[in-house]
Amino acid sequence: QKEVEQDPGPLSVPEGAIVSLNCTYSNSAFQYFMWYRQYSRKGPELLMYTYSSGNKEDGRFTAQVDKSSKYISLFIRDSQPSDSATYLCAMTLNTGFQKLVFGTGTRLLVSP
Amino acid sequence: DVKVTQSSRYLVKRTGEKVFLECVQDMDHENMFWYRQDPGLGLRLIYFSYDVKMKEKGDIPEGYSVSREKKERFSLILESASTNQTSMYLCASSLRTLGYEQYFGPGTRLTVT
Repeated sequence: QKEVEQDPGPLSVPEGAIVSLNCTYSNSAFQYFMWYRQYSRKGPELLMYTYSSGNKEDGRFTAQVDKSSKYISLFIRDSQPSDSATYLCAMTLNTGFQKLVFGTGTRLLVSP
Repeated sequence: DVKVTQSSRYLVKRTGEKVFLECVQDMDHENMFWYRQDPGLGLRLIYFSYDVKMKEKGDIPEGYSVSREKKERFSLILESASTNQTSMYLCASSLRTLGYEQYFGPGTRLTVT
């Protein structure tokens, strides 16, 4: 069993839809939870991070962590074609720990 | 603005060749990483370095080595390339105190024939 599980998609939605992307994990010691976005032929870039449980909002994006269920989510409101990318979840033990554990990524396609 | 650059976008090498992939970052980051990215397997850590001349094995170090002689530069070496090393190679860097925020280069698509 992988340490972090993520549905590979692709997930296809019309413009304006609400998108929900999810990851489950097995290591209860993870404290920091990140979402990276990767456009085609580019490297990943950090979109959002959350410490421990709870929600964090940034514009159209909301990250949610449920440590009791070992489940994290990224919600995208009013999705745009420019949101079409692969979204990778990642986790680590603490801020100073060098290693991140990544999910395999979910490919999102937003059609106009 | 952080910039991580990689020496080549595309590379084609023959089996048995020694391959060098170079990565340079311009933000004085202590940590540097090499990953490979394959469909269905995601990002897998090959090696990382938290200081000059320091290196740590990641999850899949076999067949690879690294070199970090200067803080801004981290090299990945394939001693004898094999076809199963055909992949996308991504370099990243981060501050030691903000390990969750990694900055990635654009990647090198390596094909070994």
